[in-house]
Amino acid sequence: EPEVTQTPSHQVTQMGQEVILRCVPISNHLYFYWYRQILGQKVEFLVSFYNNEISEKSEIFDDQFSVERPDGSNFTLKIRSTKLEDSAMYFCASRPPRGTEAFFGQGTRLTVV
Amino acid sequence: SQQGEEDPQALSIQEGENATMNCSYKTSINNLQWYRQNSGRGLVHLILIRSNEREKHSGRLRVTLDTSKKSSSLLITASRAADTASYFCATAYTGTASKLTFGTGTRLQVTL
Repeated sequence: EPEVTQTPSHQVTQMGQEVILRCVPISNHLYFYWYRQILGQKVEFLVSFYNNEISEKSEIFDDQFSVERPDGSNFTLKIRSTKLEDSAMYFCASRPPRGTEAFFGQGTRLTVV
Repeated sequence: SQQGEEDPQALSIQEGENATMNCSYKTSINNLQWYRQNSGRGLVHLILIRSNEREKHSGRLRVTLDTSKKSSSLLITASRAADTASYFCATAYTGTASKLTFGTGTRLQVTL
């Protein structure tokens, strides 16, 4: 069964460093999302992406964040200069053209030290 | 705020019992979805109910939606130890780009 894959599963980085989280959405999906979940808290929407541009973003998604679909398969989230409070589980999700269900990846646990 | 709230925050039951979790939201929705998350793992989609539906079944899951009260419930019947997980409701609001707004979650513990 097709699935959304995310790499790495766990990343540790020093404060101030740039990180890139990678996602391979399901191949025929057209809508892509990033969410994050700080430990013990609810899942929060970061950004949605459609037709090679951001369609919506939350207040969390400030200038330190960017997304890119560099080729036909990958979808990346970049955090330019990480802060301690960026430590969280980051989930990528994708949705098919006519569907309403979002399929989530297993997440990348980002730890900023 | 469009955030969903769930209750209870935590629920502990014995295997074989039914588990009911509730979710409330604040504005008009397009659909409401329930997800399951095992500890530290990804989100698994369980069931989706549209705003014009009142009840939906999938295996041992039963979901209801009351748009007048802006609330939904998830019932897991004949629970098993393997159902132990956190359960989240997520709403897709009318007029948004289908982003999901998640509730606070219910942590379900099913003991033998």
